[in-house]
Amino acid sequence: QAGLTQPPSVSKGLRQTATLTCTGNSNNVGLQGAAWLQQHQGHPPKLLFDRDNNRPSGISERLSASRSGNTASLTITGLQPEDEADYYCSAWDSSLSGIVFGGGTKLTVL
Amino acid sequence: EVQLVESGGGLVQPGGSLRLSCAASGLTFSGYWMTWVRQSPGKGLEWVANTKPDGSEKYYVDSVKGRFTISRDNAKNSLYLHMNSLRAEDTAVYYCAISVGEVWGQGTTVTVSS
Repeated sequence: QAGLTQPPSVSKGLRQTATLTCTGNSNNVGLQGAAWLQQHQGHPPKLLFDRDNNRPSGISERLSASRSGNTASLTITGLQPEDEADYYCSAWDSSLSGIVFGGGTKLTVL
Repeated sequence: EVQLVESGGGLVQPGGSLRLSCAASGLTFSGYWMTWVRQSPGKGLEWVANTKPDGSEKYYVDSVKGRFTISRDNAKNSLYLHMNSLRAEDTAVYYCAISVGEVWGQGTTVTVSS
């Protein structure tokens, strides 16, 4: 069961901007969008954006999400040390009637 | 505040069984698809199973079909994962989550080893 495609790693400098991508197909990302999750080592994932690109309360406004066709993107501006984490996208897949995840992107803030 | 609390993990021998539970609070549990997700040590997230709000439909990743059963008790605001014929590759932290990951529990660790 194929998942969503994310770059394994992204490295950016402090206060720079990082854009993470998540590519699926018309059965998942293209159909209902993708959610974005952040996971720090040893902790459970935390929702950053739901599939409609809504940000839960408490999530920094430095983060934004968008989608174009089968690709979803997460942009983080003004990178801070606490942004260093693993980022996953997830989507409902109509062909599986299940959920597909990206492999995760490890964001390093230099 | 919405909370999900998993329990039931532990050490089990290959071929053994476990039942995981997830207690939900702070939401109308019967209104949501519920999901089990696992994460093997050092690896990414893997969808395991999910169930429709009324429990009438259940779906599984291929690797657990025939071995795992997801169920729910809406009267008790609880989600379950019955795991049989466990294998070493089932070793992971198991999370329950709402839908595609809107809310997560803290996870429960399952270790399959002799």
